[in-house]
Amino acid sequence: AIQLTQSPSSLSASVGDRVTITCRASQGISSALAWYQQKPGKAPKLLIYDASSLESGVPSRFSGSGSGTDFTLTISSLQPEDFATYYCQQFNSYPQKYTFGQGTKLEIK
Amino acid sequence: QVQLQESGPGLVKPSGTLSLTCAVSGGSISSSNWWSWVRQPPGKGLEWIGEIYHSGSTNYNPSLKSRVTISVDKSKNQFSLKLSSVTAADTAVYYCARGRYCSGGSCYFAFGYWGQGTLVTVSS
Repeated sequence: AIQLTQSPSSLSASVGDRVTITCRASQGISSALAWYQQKPGKAPKLLIYDASSLESGVPSRFSGSGSGTDFTLTISSLQPEDFATYYCQQFNSYPQKYTFGQGTKLEIK
Repeated sequence: QVQLQESGPGLVKPSGTLSLTCAVSGGSISSSNWWSWVRQPPGKGLEWIGEIYHSGSTNYNPSLKSRVTISVDKSKNQFSLKLSSVTAADTAVYYCARGRYCSGGSCYFAFGYWGQGTLVTVSS
């Protein structure tokens, strides 16, 4: 089964910083990789799909890239509302299942 | 705008069956989408449980497959989850979500809409 490993598991940063979170797959996967933001007590919110496509309504400071086994989520200039936990997720066609990364908690420095 | 709302008991006894329903509004459950259940134990990450298409086709997480049943009720525009033989390890917030779909020759494999989630505690 494909596993997704995010790094780092936690991260401290300041408002205005540029932040990058990595998601590494245990084997090559398609570009069907998504990124979510989750705040305490709330459902996850889709940010990026197909590795690099920005979901409607999501600020342009969020961007995604990557292919094969290595994918990244970048926040170009952190805003106070961006402090949250971020998850990557991929869909595997055989067997048909979704897998999530373990999460990256982004905290205020 | 699609909206999803989970409902069901918040407390289930060990060895019992967890049953939840997800009501879909603002869109038809018979559209070209798969509908999923995802759970999150307190303080932990997300785990996909399984999905269903309006035809009744299902896919389940292999780690839970022997205990999971997902069904759809098109007349009520809702889908349901049953998880049997529960233990304390099944205590989690359970979310329903709209998953993958294909449109205009392209397919999308992300969860664009989520319910608010419902906490289910397994305890005697």
